[in-house]
Amino acid sequence: NAGVTQTPKFQVLKTGQSMTLQCAQDMNHEYMSWYRQDPGMGLRLIHYSVGAGITDQGEVPNGYNVSRSTTEDFPLRLLSAAPSQTSVYFCASSSSDSSYEQYFGPGTRLTVT
Amino acid sequence: AQSVTQPDIHITVSEGASLELRCNYSYGATPYLFWYVQSPGQGLQLLLKYFSGDTLVQGIKGFEAEFKRSQSSFNLRKPSVHWSDAAEYFCAGHGSSNTGKLIFGQGTTLQVKP
Repeated sequence: NAGVTQTPKFQVLKTGQSMTLQCAQDMNHEYMSWYRQDPGMGLRLIHYSVGAGITDQGEVPNGYNVSRSTTEDFPLRLLSAAPSQTSVYFCASSSSDSSYEQYFGPGTRLTVT
Repeated sequence: AQSVTQPDIHITVSEGASLELRCNYSYGATPYLFWYVQSPGQGLQLLLKYFSGDTLVQGIKGFEAEFKRSQSSFNLRKPSVHWSDAAEYFCAGHGSSNTGKLIFGQGTTLQVKP
């Protein structure tokens, strides 16, 4: 099992550019989430999904878009990057079968200049 | 609203001393509660979790946590800290709705003095 994988590990964008952060899991988990981590603010939920075709907003959804066409994949799209989106992004998956324990990917460090 | 609070942003302890990191939650029902650890530049690793049963749960690396409903707390403890325990620690909770969402506390940075 690869668990949760994320690509890329590092990315530098210019303001206004768009990009997609990839996330995949091979554990057949029904739930997937995207978080951003900023110093002193813990992890904040951006978007989450309870299954293929179903997504919803988290705490800080503005400027991000998600879709979930398959159980395995949950990409995060930055529509028009802004310096305020400089952060570390974590994807996670979980299942009710494992008491909602979140399995995290290794993270993507994004810098927007 | 559901929330998880870690009152201490930064804690320093001497190596070999005991450790307690505080976590308070605000949920209507008994939540699923977790402690994660993050070493510098690394991802998050689960230390332990609670969802029912015995209120004292054991985790990896010698950590334990106690769920106290009357105090809405889930504090993390270790009897003797090692220099390698220096990291950031996050408490998180999941409510009763079937969403898979976790709400994280702000994190506590642990520094270990030699």
